[in-house]
Amino acid sequence: ILNVEQSPQSLHVQEGDSTNFTCSFPSSNFYALHWYRWETAKSPEALFVMTLNGDEKKKGRISATLNTKEGYSYLYIKGSQPEDSATYLCAFRRFASGTYKYIFGTGTRLKVLA
Amino acid sequence: NAGVTQTPKFQVLKTGQSMTLQCAQDMNHEYMSWYRQDPGMGLRLIHYSVGAGITDQGEVPNGYNVSRSTTEDFPLRLLSAAPSQTSVYFCASSRQGFSYEQYFGPGTRLTVT
Repeated sequence: ILNVEQSPQSLHVQEGDSTNFTCSFPSSNFYALHWYRWETAKSPEALFVMTLNGDEKKKGRISATLNTKEGYSYLYIKGSQPEDSATYLCAFRRFASGTYKYIFGTGTRLKVLA
Repeated sequence: NAGVTQTPKFQVLKTGQSMTLQCAQDMNHEYMSWYRQDPGMGLRLIHYSVGAGITDQGEVPNGYNVSRSTTEDFPLRLLSAAPSQTSVYFCASSRQGFSYEQYFGPGTRLTVT
């Protein structure tokens, strides 16, 4: 069974703090790494899709990096705001036996305190 | 575009009953999938499809059936509901290529008593 590990499980930060989370995944049969933002009572929404070793993506105050050789990705939030409070999920997409499958981590729950 | 739609939003079943969760997308996406979300477990893949007529099992397929007769629709059937199937179910779709994101439906909260 392939596991995707996310750390920390949960995090409380003060408004204005910068923070980062880790997603660890198997480095074999790598196809893509996805980051999602999931607000309570809503559906996950895609933040980034990363496919190449060394990829860096940015959307506003949120950015992500990817290291496929060692099997990890970091998500950074600069100057956290209360509206950033959500669960951040990563999903490892692997290609094996002619098919693609997503394996999700359990997420990092972020709470930004005003 | 409506995106990914799911019905019903809520459902209560008795043990042994069967039902179908509906999922539809209007983005002409080849890839569709069903997940269940349980506390502390994250999203787990039940079944997925890479196109009409093609389906495959995910991580937790037991007790569920799927079919994909059209590009738009991907229903999930519970054959004989069990309390262990109490969960929130999400349907998602994406284009087939490696750089495409998944779009999720609003979810169906199912309780089996």
